[in-house]
Amino acid sequence: AQSVTQLGSHVSVSEGALVLLRCNYSSSVPPYLFWYVQYPNQGLQLLLKYTSAATLVKGINGFEAEFKKSETSFHLTKPSAHMSDAAEYFCAVSESGFGNEKLTFGTGTRLTIIP
Amino acid sequence: GAVVSQHPSWVICKSGTSVKIECRSLDFQATTMFWYRQFPKQSLMLMATSNEGSKATYEQGVEKDKFLINHASLTLSTLTVTSAHPEDSSFYICSAPNRVYAEAFFGQGTRLTVV
Repeated sequence: AQSVTQLGSHVSVSEGALVLLRCNYSSSVPPYLFWYVQYPNQGLQLLLKYTSAATLVKGINGFEAEFKKSETSFHLTKPSAHMSDAAEYFCAVSESGFGNEKLTFGTGTRLTIIP
Repeated sequence: GAVVSQHPSWVICKSGTSVKIECRSLDFQATTMFWYRQFPKQSLMLMATSNEGSKATYEQGVEKDKFLINHASLTLSTLTVTSAHPEDSSFYICSAPNRVYAEAFFGQGTRLTVV
């Protein structure tokens, strides 16, 4: 069985500061990992995904994540937070990198940006 | 990217009535679609996998007679909440895998409130 754990249900950072959202995974097979963003009352938008091609993955809106097998982690970072980054962020895992399998989501992290 | 449209975006219904939610892949075909449920301030939980032309696969604990899923065409899956009760109030989100983009695209979600 696969699972992901997101440490910190709420994270607040000042505008312009570093954003770090943590995600640890558990998987018995090589995992495919995803980060999604959700704005209020909306669906999910893919930020980036890890499919074993490269350990450092760059996504949209200036976000990136690094896959660290030794730490079973896939933390999401952004060098400089913007007010528009305020949203809910979900880490997810699947057994396939093609999106055709079900996703197992973490509990989510609500990111607040302080002006 | 590809587009998945979900309708309605919100609905209020009385206890005991049924509500149908539609999920359409607008510019691609999807033989499989996924239905998730999200309670306030919680993560997404997979309810069922919708398969075109065959029966849906339900996750453990999800009542198939209460949550009827029909995937009648390659671009449309429907979720019908039958005899709705207040505890069914939730945010329902569908997703459809797209092999060209190698990711699953999500609908905008439907907020169901049962009064």
